[in-house]
Amino acid sequence: AQRVTQPEKLLSVFKGAPVELKCNYSYSGSPELFWYVQYSRQRLQLLLRHISRESIKGFTADLNKGETSFHLKKPFAQEEDSAMYYCALSSNSGYSTLTFGKGTMLLVSP
Amino acid sequence: EADIYQTPRYLVIGTGKKITLECSQTMGHDKMYWYQQDPGMELHLIHYSYGVNSTEKGDLSSESTVSRIRTEHFPLTLESARPSHTSQYLCASSGSSYNEQFFGPGTRLTVL
Repeated sequence: AQRVTQPEKLLSVFKGAPVELKCNYSYSGSPELFWYVQYSRQRLQLLLRHISRESIKGFTADLNKGETSFHLKKPFAQEEDSAMYYCALSSNSGYSTLTFGKGTMLLVSP
Repeated sequence: EADIYQTPRYLVIGTGKKITLECSQTMGHDKMYWYQQDPGMELHLIHYSYGVNSTEKGDLSSESTVSRIRTEHFPLTLESARPSHTSQYLCASSGSSYNEQFFGPGTRLTVL
């Protein structure tokens, strides 16, 4: 069975501080990993996916298969980054559902 | 404009009523999903469909039912609403080649 663990329910940092939101997964095959973000009063939206290896809004995430992790990082947090962040996993098949973690609320204070 | 639409956005209803939550998408996607999410909590997959006349139950057991008669339309029905059904319901869709899902704005359901 596949599982996604986000150990922190809440992460509170000051503006300009580095941020790391942790995500660990359990999956026997080759996974596809995503980070989704939900800003206040907005719909859930994709932030980034590991196959793209891109940086979105200053965020990056590297898939570490040895540690089965996909942590989300940003060197300097901004107040507008405050939101709920969800890590999600699927198989690399085109017909696969997503398994979400419980989410981490990021609060960036001025 | 390509998007996912959910109606109603908010619904307050009494126990025992039959309700249908609408979801339609103009993304041209073949796969659609329903999730249940309590505020600030994890998403639980309750139903999904890979195409017309194809529906499957998700990880979370739900008393709701779904249908997929048209590619763009994936309604969710509760025959007899109960207070335990109070939650937010999110609809999503994805294309044929990728597992990236696009989400609708959600329906917040309150059953009194």
